[in-house]
Amino acid sequence: SAVISQKPSRDICQRGTSLTIQCQVDSQVTMMFWYRQQPGQSLTLIATANQGSEATYESGFVIDKFPISRPNLTFSTLTVSNMSPEDSSIYLCSVNREYTEAFFGQGTRLTVV
Amino acid sequence: SQQGEEDPQALSIQEGENATMNCSYKTSINNLQWYRQNSGRGLVHLILIRSNEREKHSGRLRVTLDTSKKSSSLLITASRAADTASYFCATVTGNQFYFGTGTSLTVIP
Repeated sequence: SAVISQKPSRDICQRGTSLTIQCQVDSQVTMMFWYRQQPGQSLTLIATANQGSEATYESGFVIDKFPISRPNLTFSTLTVSNMSPEDSSIYLCSVNREYTEAFFGQGTRLTVV
Repeated sequence: SQQGEEDPQALSIQEGENATMNCSYKTSINNLQWYRQNSGRGLVHLILIRSNEREKHSGRLRVTLDTSKKSSSLLITASRAADTASYFCATVTGNQFYFGTGTSLTVIP
């Protein structure tokens, strides 16, 4: 199994500002995944973060809006930039073991006012 | 979109009853998994069924998979108030997880 510590757990931010979310995994993993979950919706993959290379973004998500860092095999950050109320969501980081089970951080509940 | 669809969207039952939720998907899969989410927190893995399996049990959970119909069901027997949560199916194709739309289950004590 993998234990992921994600922080902050929640935040209320002013529009136009940025928030950086951190995830720390208790073991080394090749890929880390960042998801967005809008209220009452399912999870949408934002990007896949590999150590030592640029993140791979899914359609509809761009690096300027959601820059990701992956400085080592146990840590990653996602920044939500120039926030608007439409960015209010739960953001989740995740890792998986050979696609047999996904492990998630506790989630960051972001409210933009 | 490869996202799975689940039904019902919401389900409310009395404690002790069984809860059944269904998942349909669109593409071929390596395996299908079910997850639980409490109050917008991280998802927790419940059970995995491989594409060559038809049924799997874990405690009070029973999962079936019909690859010809591209569908799966999750049965929770003898439900408890603590089972109240959202449940998501996830299909795994290649190196990608695709999460379903989710079923919100409420178990009334």
